[in-house]
Amino acid sequence: ETGVTQSPTHLIKTRGQQVTLRCSSQSGHNTVSWYQQALGQGPQFIFQYYREEENGRGNFPPRFSGLQFPNYSSELNVNALELDDSALYLCASSNTGANYGYTFGSGTRLTVV
Amino acid sequence: AQSVSQHNHHVILSEAASLELGCNYSYGGTVNLFWYVQYPGQHLQLLLKYFSGDPLVKGIKGFEAEFIKSKFSFNLRKPSVQWSDTAEYFCAVNLGDAGNMLTFGGGTRLMVKP
Repeated sequence: ETGVTQSPTHLIKTRGQQVTLRCSSQSGHNTVSWYQQALGQGPQFIFQYYREEENGRGNFPPRFSGLQFPNYSSELNVNALELDDSALYLCASSNTGANYGYTFGSGTRLTVV
Repeated sequence: AQSVSQHNHHVILSEAASLELGCNYSYGGTVNLFWYVQYPGQHLQLLLKYFSGDPLVKGIKGFEAEFIKSKFSFNLRKPSVQWSDTAEYFCAVNLGDAGNMLTFGGGTRLMVKP
């Protein structure tokens, strides 16, 4: 089975810019969640997508948005980047009813300068 | 809001030593509990999970965890660590009524000296 793949692996952006991160879910998984992991901290839940709709959101502002496509892949978009957005962004896929069998990707390291 | 605390931020052990990593959560309702491991340069991997039933849960690579409801704890244990267990360990909680969202602790970085 394929795992979760994320692209790009590393990215440097300037404050105020916009960024799009991509995630391909594991084969057979229909739900995608995004997490932000700041340096030295645990991952924090951003939001989850199921059937192409947002299905739960953490404490993140509206400039964090996402999409899920019919093939269950997903994008995370962040507008008006701030320095504090520098973090590792993790994508996790799962299948509803699979008792939270999350599979995590290796993440995208975003640096905002 | 619920929170998860991992009190040990850094742990250094010698090979064959026993390991116990603490995890406490703050939520009075039904919870699902997880331990994840992140080896250097790799993605988060599930070590074990607890949903219901026997509070002593066995996971991969010889790890186990015990859910103690009265203490709101889910500590991770391993009787004898190996150098290959060097990694960062994360406890995570899902509230029974909060969909699939996981709340993670801050992590414990374990270094095992050969």
